Amino acid sequence: AQTVTQSQPEMSVQEAETVTLSCTYDTSENNYYLFWYKQPPSRQMILVIRQEAYKQQNATENRFSVNFQKAAKSFSLKISDSQLGDTAMYFCAFMSSTSGTYKYIFGTGTRLKVLA
Amino acid sequence: TAGITQAPTSQILAAGRSMTLRCTQDMRHNAMYWYRQDLGLGLRLIHYSNTAGTTGKGEVPDGYSVSRANTDDFPLTLASAVPSQTSVYFCASSDPAGGSFDQPQHFGDGTRLSIL
Repeated sequence: AQTVTQSQPEMSVQEAETVTLSCTYDTSENNYYLFWYKQPPSRQMILVIRQEAYKQQNATENRFSVNFQKAAKSFSLKISDSQLGDTAMYFCAFMSSTSGTYKYIFGTGTRLKVLA
Repeated sequence: TAGITQAPTSQILAAGRSMTLRCTQDMRHNAMYWYRQDLGLGLRLIHYSNTAGTTGKGEVPDGYSVSRANTDDFPLTLASAVPSQTSVYFCASSDPAGGSFDQPQHFGDGTRLSIL
């Protein structure tokens, strides 16, 4: 069974600094997708970035980028130039298809606080 | 605005009572999901549906039931609520079968349910 581990329950970063959130996963599959979701205090779940496992190039979305290490099964999120609005809970998620069933597995989340 | 609508936003329910959480999407997505979010545990899958007319059990299905009579609606029912079902419930949808494999999940705004 697939698992997703986020080992940092809480983190903080000074405004304008860079922070990296870690995520590791376990799977025997070769074709899968990885996502980072952000959940601000408003409770909405917002997609931050996605990565296809077959692509070696790391995904980037403005100030957000990932460091995808397939062999190590690691998928960390880097936030550059942190802003107060980045304060949120961040979830790493794994998605694959088994026998036609598409399942998403979420980590337990990292609470990020950006300090002024 | 297209998306997922969950109702109610919050609810207080006496133990032993039944309750149906509603979820409707207007994106014509094939797959729909119900999660519960608990502090320190992240999002855990309760039930899912790959297409209308089919449902499947997730990680924590006990005490919950779902139905998928049509594409748009995916209600979650608690037949006899217990205090351990106090949680925030999220409905989500995605369309991996109808589109590219990398489709992320779209989430509703959640229902906060308290069982007393």
